[in-house]
Amino acid sequence: DTAVSQTPKYLVTQMGNDKSIKCEQNLGHDTMYWYKQDSKKFLKIMFSYNNKELIINETVPNRFSPKSPDKAHLNLHINSLELGDSAVYFCASSLRDRVPEKLFFGSGTQLSVL
Amino acid sequence: DAKTTQPPSMDCAEGRAANLPCNHSTISGNEYVYWYRQIHSQGPQYIIHGLKNNETNEMASLIITEDRKSSTLILPHATLRDTAVYYCIVRSTGTSNTGKLIFGQGTTLQVKP
Repeated sequence: DTAVSQTPKYLVTQMGNDKSIKCEQNLGHDTMYWYKQDSKKFLKIMFSYNNKELIINETVPNRFSPKSPDKAHLNLHINSLELGDSAVYFCASSLRDRVPEKLFFGSGTQLSVL
Repeated sequence: DAKTTQPPSMDCAEGRAANLPCNHSTISGNEYVYWYRQIHSQGPQYIIHGLKNNETNEMASLIITEDRKSSTLILPHATLRDTAVYYCIVRSTGTSNTGKLIFGQGTTLQVKP
């Protein structure tokens, strides 16, 4: 079983559309994250949730809205998609406030906005 | 969190040891050194971490200098599947923003047959 799974793996859409990416982890972790990797391969955190509560919000445009129905799921909804949103989005999970910070990442969702 | 500096790329022959350096000259006493890697088209993968002592696990060894200003990740017998971008990250043990890892450009390791 995949520890952190996200769907879809590829997402191609038009500008202005609304889309969602789903993420689920079966590791029993209480913290989940969304990271974004841009075209230059820089990987940067967007959000983190701990047990359904928003912990980190890295000045991401409010067109991006994470939703955590329970601690095993963290979905990412994006409204009014723009060309600049094209990137690979990674979901991850970990145990909160636990050192070492061992994050487990999903395999990514490649979003292409046309 | 202290800044890290890594060479942009390295080559290694298959079966040989790969030694990946990282400079973190401004590291403070309560900061861990972490290594993650990202194989092409996959998410980052945790490899190892250390504070002061050298560490070894099933994936790699981490050698931290006595002054802690630099470290080396060692893959003892590199295989083609170890071709990836390797990230050295420094994080405070007392951080409140758990999981906010700062990924730099990393070192692209190419393992060659």
